[in-house]
Amino acid sequence: QTVVTQEPSLTVSPGGTVTLTCASSTGAVTSGYYTNWFQQKPGQAPRALIYSTTNKHSWTPARFSGSLLGGKAALTLSGVQPEDEAEYYCLLYYGGAQVFGGGTKLTVL
Amino acid sequence: QVQLQESGPGLVKPSQTLSLTCTVSGGSISSGSYYWSWIRQPAGKGLEWIGRIYTSGSTNYNPSLKSRVTISVDTSKNQFSLKLNSVTAADTAVYYCARVYCGGDCYYDYWGQGTLVTVSS
Repeated sequence: QTVVTQEPSLTVSPGGTVTLTCASSTGAVTSGYYTNWFQQKPGQAPRALIYSTTNKHSWTPARFSGSLLGGKAALTLSGVQPEDEAEYYCLLYYGGAQVFGGGTKLTVL
Repeated sequence: QVQLQESGPGLVKPSQTLSLTCTVSGGSISSGSYYWSWIRQPAGKGLEWIGRIYTSGSTNYNPSLKSRVTISVDTSKNQFSLKLNSVTAADTAVYYCARVYCGGDCYYDYWGQGTLVTVSS
C-alpha cells in the first residue's frame, strides 16, 4: 500500500517562511506525480492551492509556491500571514489512483 | 457558478450499503474536460481519496476500498453517486464530492460542502 508522508505539524512566525514536504513510499517524487496541494480550515472543504507540482490557481496567494526538493514535493509559504494557519494536504497521482498525504497542521505563532 | 451538493442518509447500519449522490449545478456533468471524484475524511483525520469517474463511465478506485466501492454517473440528472457496501464504523466520515478539470494538467476546482455519514446500529 502506497503511503504519502507529510510533517504532522509545523510552526512559523508571522512574516516568516516555511516549507512543507510530501514524500512517497515508492521513491522520489517527480513531476510525473502531478503533486496537488490543498489548504483546509476547520469545518471547511479543502481548497486547492497548487497543481502539477508548481502551478498556482488564480485564487492562490502569491506567497504560496510549489516545487520539488530533495526527492520530495514541497510547498513553501513566504511571508506567512495569520490566516495561513490551517491543515495542508498534498495529493500524488499514481497512474489511475491518487493518494493524499496525512496532512501538516501549520500553526502561525 | 458551479456548485456540488452531496446528499444521502446521515446514518447507516453496520454491514449495510452507504449511498450518496452528488448533484452538480451551474454546469454540465457531461462536459468532456472533467472527471468527478469522491473523497472522505474521518473526524479529526486526514483526507482519503475514494475514487473517480469520467462521464464515459470509466472509473478508478482506491485499491484499499476497491472491493466495496462503486461510483456511477447519471448524466440525465447531472449527478454522480457513490455506493460503499459492507460498511463498518471505520467508514464513518465526512464524504466530499469534487470536480477535477483535465485539459492537459488536471486539478480540483470545485468541492461540495461535505456530508457526514455515521455508521452505527
